[in-house]
Amino acid sequence: DAGVIQSPRHEVTEMGQEVTLRCKPISGHDYLFWYRQTMMRGLELLIYFNNNVPIDDSGMPEDRFSAKMPNASFSTLKIQPSEPRDSAVYFCASKWEENTEAFFGQGTRLTVV
Amino acid sequence: AQKVTQAQTEISVVEKEDVTLDCVYETRDTTYYLFWYKQPPSGELVFLIRRNSFDEQNEISGRYSWNFQKSTSSFNFTITASQVVDSAVYFCALSEKGNTPLVFGKGTRLSVIA
Repeated sequence: DAGVIQSPRHEVTEMGQEVTLRCKPISGHDYLFWYRQTMMRGLELLIYFNNNVPIDDSGMPEDRFSAKMPNASFSTLKIQPSEPRDSAVYFCASKWEENTEAFFGQGTRLTVV
Repeated sequence: AQKVTQAQTEISVVEKEDVTLDCVYETRDTTYYLFWYKQPPSGELVFLIRRNSFDEQNEISGRYSWNFQKSTSSFNFTITASQVVDSAVYFCALSEKGNTPLVFGKGTRLSVIA
């Protein structure tokens, strides 16, 4: 398996624009997570899915953030409108079952100017 | 609530020295899982180890070893004979049974100098 695949790897956008981050989890993994990494806050969970269903989105910072998982092999994280404080590295991760290790994608470095 | 503390923000050692990265966790559950991840300068997060709360045996994998002590709620990571390639940020993480997401510490940045 190729591992968790995220795209794009880098994104630079202007404030106010819509940004969509994409993730393909490892095949057969039932759980998918979106994390955000910043210097100030470290790695923080934004949302996670089990069998394509959102389970906990309490980490989503504002209504500007939304995430979907239309099928087992694809998820998106959308920010609309984007703001400079959204600049961070966004990681997608997946895992097989509840208490196993999570495998991370390479991340998307988002810069909002 | 679950919490992971990595008190060492940055550590710098000379190549071939041994180094221990500390991890202290808080949980109310009796069943939980602990993890270590490595984030090299390239940025990806690499899984290193997973331990469950019922297995307190120390583990060794090459130059890496882990010391799990429930009495002190610690899960420390030692690198023996460090190498420049060990330079990275290391994260300790915790998940409780029935609470799926991993909660991460703030990480320890290790610099190994040649």
